[in-house]
Amino acid sequence: EPEVTQTPSHQVTQMGQEVILRCVPISNHLYFYWYRQILGQKVEFLVSFYNNEISEKSEIFDDQFSVERPDGSNFTLKIRSTKLEDSAMYFCASSPGHAGELFFGEGSRLTVL
Amino acid sequence: LAKTTQPISMDSYEGQEVNITCSHNNIATNDYITWYQQFPSQGPRFIIQGYKTKVTNEVASLFIPADRKSSTLSLPRVSLSDTAVYYCLVGAPWAGNNRKLIWGLGTSLAVNP
Repeated sequence: EPEVTQTPSHQVTQMGQEVILRCVPISNHLYFYWYRQILGQKVEFLVSFYNNEISEKSEIFDDQFSVERPDGSNFTLKIRSTKLEDSAMYFCASSPGHAGELFFGEGSRLTVL
Repeated sequence: LAKTTQPISMDSYEGQEVNITCSHNNIATNDYITWYQQFPSQGPRFIIQGYKTKVTNEVASLFIPADRKSSTLSLPRVSLSDTAVYYCLVGAPWAGNNRKLIWGLGTSLAVNP
């Protein structure tokens, strides 16, 4: 069964460092998303991406965040200068289209020290 | 954006049927109702999606009354492995429609032996 894969599974970084989280969505999906979940809290929408551009982003997704689909398979989330409060589980998701279910990856746990 | 309300937690026993109800009073005409399951430190997993009446798949049933202001996820004969958080979401997750799913805290289901 096709799945969304994310790397790394866990990253520890120092405050102020840049972090890139990588995702390989399911190959025939058209819509891509990043969500985050701080431990014990809600799943929060960060950004959606379609047709090689951001289609929507939340208030959390400020100038420190960026997304990119550098080739036909990878979808990355970059945090330019990490803050302590960026510590969370980051989930990538993809969807085949309109009203389709979201397929989530297993997540990348980011710990900022 | 439609907001949902569901119980914070529920307890059940193995072999019982579990019904989790979600209210979504301001659901819009184009909104779908989608349920996800999440185990600790894992990405959410799609369970079922519906628009109206009843939908059934191999793991659950979804009951939606005519006014669509609520929905009930029914898990038949739960087992210990069904212990998880269950999220009810209303909306459409697709990218180009300026909508994003709002995740609540979900319902934490504990299945006891």
